[in-house]
Amino acid sequence: GDSVTQTEGPVTLSEGTSLTVNCSYETKQYPTLFWYVQYPGEGPQLLFKVPKANEKGSNRGFEATYNKEATSFHLQKASVQESDSAVYYCALSDLGGSNAKLTFGKGTKLSVKS
Amino acid sequence: EAGVTQSPRYAVLQEGQAVSFWCDPISGHDTLYWYQQPRDQGPQLLVYFRDEAVIDNSQLPSDRFSAVRPKGTNSTLKIQSAKQGDTATYLCASSFSGWEQYFGPGTRLTVL
Repeated sequence: GDSVTQTEGPVTLSEGTSLTVNCSYETKQYPTLFWYVQYPGEGPQLLFKVPKANEKGSNRGFEATYNKEATSFHLQKASVQESDSAVYYCALSDLGGSNAKLTFGKGTKLSVKS
Repeated sequence: EAGVTQSPRYAVLQEGQAVSFWCDPISGHDTLYWYQQPRDQGPQLLVYFRDEAVIDNSQLPSDRFSAVRPKGTNSTLKIQSAKQGDTATYLCASSFSGWEQYFGPGTRLTVL
């Protein structure tokens, strides 16, 4: 079946430093890839998605490139803020552009200190 | 526009007790999902519906878990005889025709 593996947390950074969260995946299909963010007491919310290989997604200063050859989709941000503290999930859907069935990674907890 | 609502927000049970979780999706969303999220893990799909029909329940422990969506709107997930291993947050999500999923806040279940 499908699987997603991402950087194990927790990750602690100082404000203004850069972030990379690694994500790799396995699927026999042609996936759409997602990054979700989850704050305490809330459900996950979509950060952005990328349906096509070699394209980049971005939102709120976060970005990731869908690398089909390396089966990777690493999350990056150049300068993190305290408000970025949350749990980040990499996920995939194997139904083309429709995300009918999502497979999530285990999550990476990010804490940003001022 | 109201988001996905779930109730209760918390539940604490003894092993062997039954519990039901309720979900009200975003108005107009035809697809509804139930996920189980153990502590410090990602959400794992249990079952999903398109309107009132079950599309995939392959990950639902059928001996103790059941889920219904009788009118294609609200949904109920029930655990018949809870075990300590069921301790987790149960998330409901909805979408329009399988596109972006919107998640509710979840129900945090503790089984003692």
